[in-house]
Amino acid sequence: SQTIHQWPATLVQPVGSPLSLECTVEGTSNPNLYWYRQAAGRGLQLLFYSVGIGQISSEVPQNLSASRPQDRQFILSSKKLLLSDSGFYLCAWQDRARGYTFGSGTRLTVV
Amino acid sequence: RKEVEQDPGPFNVPEGATVAFNCTYSNSASQSFFWYRQDCRKEPKLLMSVYSSGNEDGRFTAQLNRASQYISLLIRDSKLSDSATYLCVELSGGSYIPTFGRGTSLIVHP
Repeated sequence: SQTIHQWPATLVQPVGSPLSLECTVEGTSNPNLYWYRQAAGRGLQLLFYSVGIGQISSEVPQNLSASRPQDRQFILSSKKLLLSDSGFYLCAWQDRARGYTFGSGTRLTVV
Repeated sequence: RKEVEQDPGPFNVPEGATVAFNCTYSNSASQSFFWYRQDCRKEPKLLMSVYSSGNEDGRFTAQLNRASQYISLLIRDSKLSDSATYLCVELSGGSYIPTFGRGTSLIVHP
């Protein structure tokens, strides 16, 4: 069966520090992968998606970046965090038949 | 620009009540629809897909109205555990990018 792993669950980082969030998928190959952010009380904002290794599409301009070094690995990074980067970050993969499956998320607080 | 609109609520209902949410979409090319449930501080989880003919899963019924461009979710015999935010999602044919609504909050009270 397919599973998606995301870590860490919570993170508190100072302004200006770097960020690296990792997401891995098991039980499937060549998945479409997504990074979303959800601010408190808000909807899901698509940040990046990837349809294959090394293929990254960005949906919004920001100080975040994403990489897909392996088929089932998707990484979200920042060189210098801003206060506005705080939020709930969710990785997801797409199963055409069943929609989208999300990881358990990372709650990031930038202080 | 594709949009999916939902009434944010909250819908406050007693246990045992029947409650319905609608979700309107603007993209006439939309082909796939889903309802997700999101508990507080948790990730969204798939509740059910929405088929053209409508579908039912226990107390939950989802329907699609293409003429009026909306999908609906009906919950019968509400339970306290149904309290959550319900997100609707649309996906156009050939697209990789789903459009999520901002969710409807449901609170079921004793």
